[in-house]
Amino acid sequence: AQTVTQSQPEMSVQEAETVTLSCTYDTSESDYYLFWYKQPPSRQMILVIRQEAYKQQNATENRFSVNFQKAAKSFSLKISDSQLGDAAMYFCAYSPMRGGADGLTFGKGTHLIIQP
Amino acid sequence: NAGVTQTPKFQVLKTGQSMTLQCAQDMNHEYMSWYRQDPGMGLRLIHYSVGAGITDQGEVPNGYNVSRSTTEDFPLRLLSAAPSQTSVYFCASISFRGSTDTQYFGPGTRLTVL
Repeated sequence: AQTVTQSQPEMSVQEAETVTLSCTYDTSESDYYLFWYKQPPSRQMILVIRQEAYKQQNATENRFSVNFQKAAKSFSLKISDSQLGDAAMYFCAYSPMRGGADGLTFGKGTHLIIQP
Repeated sequence: NAGVTQTPKFQVLKTGQSMTLQCAQDMNHEYMSWYRQDPGMGLRLIHYSVGAGITDQGEVPNGYNVSRSTTEDFPLRLLSAAPSQTSVYFCASISFRGSTDTQYFGPGTRLTVL
């Protein structure tokens, strides 16, 4: 079975600085999809960024980017110019199917604190 | 579009009671799924559906039933609630449009079983 591990239960960063959240996963598949979700106190799950394993180029979405290391099975999220609105739980997720069609496997999450 | 809607938002049950958590989407998505989120945990998949009439089990299906009679609705049934089923439940649907895909989550239902 696939597993997703987030080794940082909590991270803290000063506003406007850069922070990196770690994620590792275990799979025997060669093709798969990786995601980062944000969950603010409202509980709403919000997709931040996605990466297809067959794409070598790291995904970017504005201030959010990933460092995808397929051989190391590592998928870290970098948030640049941190803002107060970035404070939330961040979950890394894996799926062997596009979009997570047969369900996502989530890590336990990292609580990101933004210091003003 | 209303997106993915879930009702109720909150529910308290007694052990042994049954209830149905409702999930609906108006985006004509084929794929829908149910997750539960416990404190300190990520979401765990309960059941999913790839289309009307087709469902399958996820990681933690015991104690839950689902059916998918229409594309829009995907209810989750608790037949005999247990305290271990106290959790926040999320429904999700997936859009495949062109080269992108997006999983839309509902706002969640907080369930407490006494």
